[in-house]
Amino acid sequence: DAGVIQSPRHEVTEMGQEVTLRCKPISGHNSLFWYRQTMMRGLELLIYFNNNVPIDDSGMPEDRFSAKMPNASFSTLKIQPSEPRDSAVYFCASSPYWTDTQYFGPGTRLTVL
Amino acid sequence: EDQVTQSPEALRLQEGESSSLNCSYTVSGLRGLFWYRQDPGKGPEFLFTLYSAGEEKEKERLKATLTKKESFLHITAPKPEDSATYLCAVQANNAGNMLTFGGGTRLMVKP
Repeated sequence: DAGVIQSPRHEVTEMGQEVTLRCKPISGHNSLFWYRQTMMRGLELLIYFNNNVPIDDSGMPEDRFSAKMPNASFSTLKIQPSEPRDSAVYFCASSPYWTDTQYFGPGTRLTVL
Repeated sequence: EDQVTQSPEALRLQEGESSSLNCSYTVSGLRGLFWYRQDPGKGPEFLFTLYSAGEEKEKERLKATLTKKESFLHITAPKPEDSATYLCAVQANNAGNMLTFGGGTRLMVKP
């Protein structure tokens, strides 16, 4: 059974450019989470969805960040415009309705120059 | 606000040298405490969930325990392949599905 799939695995872009990160959750999971990991701040929850509906986006740092989940098998996290301080590893995780356990993808390493 | 503090930040052990990692937490009603393992360049991998004080869970050389204020991850006779960062996270009763993570303990086991 495939795990959480994220793309791209690495992204290097220049300040001011738009960045889109993609996530495919595990089939049958109804909750999806976006996290950001940095050395300074550790692993932080940005936003999460239940049944494709955003439930809590209080962790989204500012209006430059947006997330969508158009269907149960796909989600995007967009940063526009990107800034050097957005450089981090972004993880997507999913969870089935019958457990609180979250299963993480391999992450996208974003570098904004 | 929910808080999770892990100690030590880094731990070096010789192969076979048992030790414990600590996770202290403050939360407004604990729903669950989670332990994850993270290898360099990879996403966190689920290890255990603990729900109530006194609960223990084991997996190979790892045993997780829980009290009302902290959790311990005991590593018995570690091997080099146990080297990783171990993350602790809490889920509060009033926080839906959200997890609050600690900063992690980086474990290095030397042969």
